[in-house]
Amino acid sequence: EVQLLESGGALVQPGGSLRLSCAASGFTFSSYAMSWVRQAPGKGLEWVSAISGSGGAIYFADSVRGRFTVSRDNSKNTLYLQMNSLRAEDTAVYYCAKVKYHGSTYYYDYWGQGTLVTVSS
Amino acid sequence: QSVLTQPPSVSGAPGQRVTISCTGSSSNIGAGYDVHWYQQFPGTAPKVLIYGNNDRPSGVPDRFSGSKSGTSASLAISGLQAEDEADYYCQSYDNSLTAHVVFGGGTKLTVL
Repeated sequence: EVQLLESGGALVQPGGSLRLSCAASGFTFSSYAMSWVRQAPGKGLEWVSAISGSGGAIYFADSVRGRFTVSRDNSKNTLYLQMNSLRAEDTAVYYCAKVKYHGSTYYYDYWGQGTLVTVSS
Repeated sequence: QSVLTQPPSVSGAPGQRVTISCTGSSSNIGAGYDVHWYQQFPGTAPKVLIYGNNDRPSGVPDRFSGSKSGTSASLAISGLQAEDEADYYCQSYDNSLTAHVVFGGGTKLTVL
C-alpha cells in the first residue's frame, strides 16, 4: 500500500525557515517523480515544486522560486522541501504527491495527508 | 487568479446530472495536454477522480466521466448522490515559462 507521510509543519515568523519531510513507502520511491502542492486556508490547490526520481530535474512555481528548495534522499525514501524567507502568503497545508505519467503530462495518483505551515508573527 | 477557470459552485438534486467546466488556453488544455480531475472532502487530501481526460482509476464509479474539447474540459457526475458533495479541481500542464502544473480554482458541489 502506497503511503506518504508529511511532517515538519509549524508556526514560523515571517522571514523564517522550515523544512518539510515526506516519508514514502509501498512503492519504489526512486523510480517516481514527486511534487509538493499547497493549499492556503479556504483556497484552491497550488502547485509548488516537482523533482524527478533521480533528483536531477527540479522545477518551481514562480511564487517560491529562489526561496524554496526541493530534494530527495532515495536511500531513505524521503522527499524534502526547504522553505526560506517565509511570507504570510506561504501559509498553507503542504501536500506531497506521487507523480504518475500519462501521455504528455502527469497527474498525482497518491497524496499525503498534508502538513500545516503557518507564517505569522 | 487560476490559470484554469472553474465555476466556484454548482448544485444539483439527488439523481440529477451536473457538469463542472474547466476552461484553459492555448498554452495548456488547448495545446493538447491532458486534463485530470480531483475530488476533495473537507479536511482531507485530494483524490484523483479522472485522469487522461476521461479515464477512471479503479474504484471510481462510472457515474463520473470526463471530456475535453478545444481549450476546455468538463467533469460530469450523473445519478448525483449526497456523498458526492465535495470540492472538485481540474489539473493540466502549461507550457508557458511561468507555470508547470496548473490547477483550476476548484468547484464546490452542493447536493440539494
